[in-house]
Amino acid sequence: NAGVTQTPKFRVLKTGQSMTLLCAQDMNHEYMYWYRQDPGMGLRLIHYSVGEGTTAKGEVPDGYNVSRLKKQNFLLGLESAAPSQTSVYFCASTKTRQGSYEQYFGPGTRLTVT
Amino acid sequence: AQSVTQLDSQVPVFEEAPVELRCNYSSSVSVYLFWYVQYPNQGLQLLLKYLSGSTLVKGINGFEAEFNKSQTSFHLRKPSVHISDTAEYFCAVTIQTGGFKTIFGAGTRLFVKA
Repeated sequence: NAGVTQTPKFRVLKTGQSMTLLCAQDMNHEYMYWYRQDPGMGLRLIHYSVGEGTTAKGEVPDGYNVSRLKKQNFLLGLESAAPSQTSVYFCASTKTRQGSYEQYFGPGTRLTVT
Repeated sequence: AQSVTQLDSQVPVFEEAPVELRCNYSSSVSVYLFWYVQYPNQGLQLLLKYLSGSTLVKGINGFEAEFNKSQTSFHLRKPSVHISDTAEYFCAVTIQTGGFKTIFGAGTRLFVKA
């Protein structure tokens, strides 16, 4: 099992450009999440999904959109990148059945917006 | 509203000394408690978790944590640290409200010195 994978690992954007981050998991997990990590702030939830075809806003959703067309994939889009979106982005998934609630994380995508 | 407070942003400690990383949380609903570790340039991985039962839980790499409901704390301990324990540690609570959401603390950076 590859677990949770993220594409790309690094990206540099100019202000106003758009991009999509791809997250894939091969563990058949129902829940998937997108977080951003900034120094001294821990992880903040951007959007999450409780199943295929469903998405919901997290703590800091502005400027981002998501889609979950397939159970194993969760896409994060930036329509018009801003310097404030410079961050490390992590995708995670959770198996909530059978009493397991731990999250499995991808390796992260380091995004710089200039 | 739920929140997680990690009381120390950085903890320097000498190799083979004991260490405690402190975590307090607030929640009006039942929570599941987690500690995650993040090594440099990697994603987070589960260290240990408390779902129910015994309040003392043991995790990987010799770490343990104790759930104290009255003090709403979940402190992480290790009796003797190694250089390889140098990493950032995140306390997290998962709640069930319209799905499962996880709230992370800001993180504690553990420096183990020779």
